[in-house]
Amino acid sequence: DAKTTQPPSMDCAEGRAANLPCNHSTISGNEYVYWYRQIHSQGPQYIIHGLKNNETNEMASLIITEDRKSSTLILPHATLRDTAVYYCIARSNHYGGSQGNLIFGKGTKLSVKP
Amino acid sequence: NAGVTQTPKFQVLKTGQSMTLQCAQDMNHNSMYWYRQDPGMGLRLIYYSASEGTTDKGEVPNGYNVSRLNKREFSLRLESAAPSQTSVYFCASRVEVNYGYTFGSGTRLTVV
Repeated sequence: DAKTTQPPSMDCAEGRAANLPCNHSTISGNEYVYWYRQIHSQGPQYIIHGLKNNETNEMASLIITEDRKSSTLILPHATLRDTAVYYCIARSNHYGGSQGNLIFGKGTKLSVKP
Repeated sequence: NAGVTQTPKFQVLKTGQSMTLQCAQDMNHNSMYWYRQDPGMGLRLIYYSASEGTTDKGEVPNGYNVSRLNKREFSLRLESAAPSQTSVYFCASRVEVNYGYTFGSGTRLTVV
C-alpha cells in the first residue's frame, strides 16, 4: 500500500484558496488518491478521488502530478466551516476485500481563520 | 436522506459488560465497515463486510465480533468490554469498491 505523508497542520485565511499537499511517492499504477475530511468529531466526509487526471467537483479540486508522486487538494474559497482534519489516502480500486479498504492516517488539521 | 445511522450515540459501560453497536444504511450499499478512532489518531478498521453474508477482520479485530444481519444492517458486539475499548466508533458503507465511503456520526463509548 502506498504510504501518504501530509503536514500535521496548516492555516488559511477565510476566502482564500486552501492548498493541502500530500506526498505518495510509492504509489502504484492502480492506486487512486482519495481525500476525506473530518469536521470536529463528526464522521469523515468523502471529498474527491482521482487516478491520474485532475478532478473537480462542487467541493474541491484535486491536482495530481504527472509522476503521481504527490497531489494537492484545493478548496477554492475556504470558509470557517472548512476547518477540519483532511485525510489523503492512496488505495487500489481494483480489488474488493482488504485490498480495497481505506486506511486513514493522522491527516492535516486545516484551520481557516477570519 | 438518512444515510448511515448509528445507535446509540453515547454509551458508558463497566468493565466486563457486553453491548452491541448498531449500524444501518438506507442507500442499498453492498459493503459496510466498522472503524474506531482514538484521540489524536486516524481511523483504524475493526471489521468489514464486503457484501451481505460475508465478514472479515480488519486491522484491530480483537475483542469484537460483527454480524451482517442483512444488506442494511451491520452490528458490532463487545462481549466483555475493557477500558482499552474506550473510543469513538464509526460505521461506514459504500456501494462498490471504486466509490467513496459514507460514514455515520459515530458512537462515543466509554468503558470504566
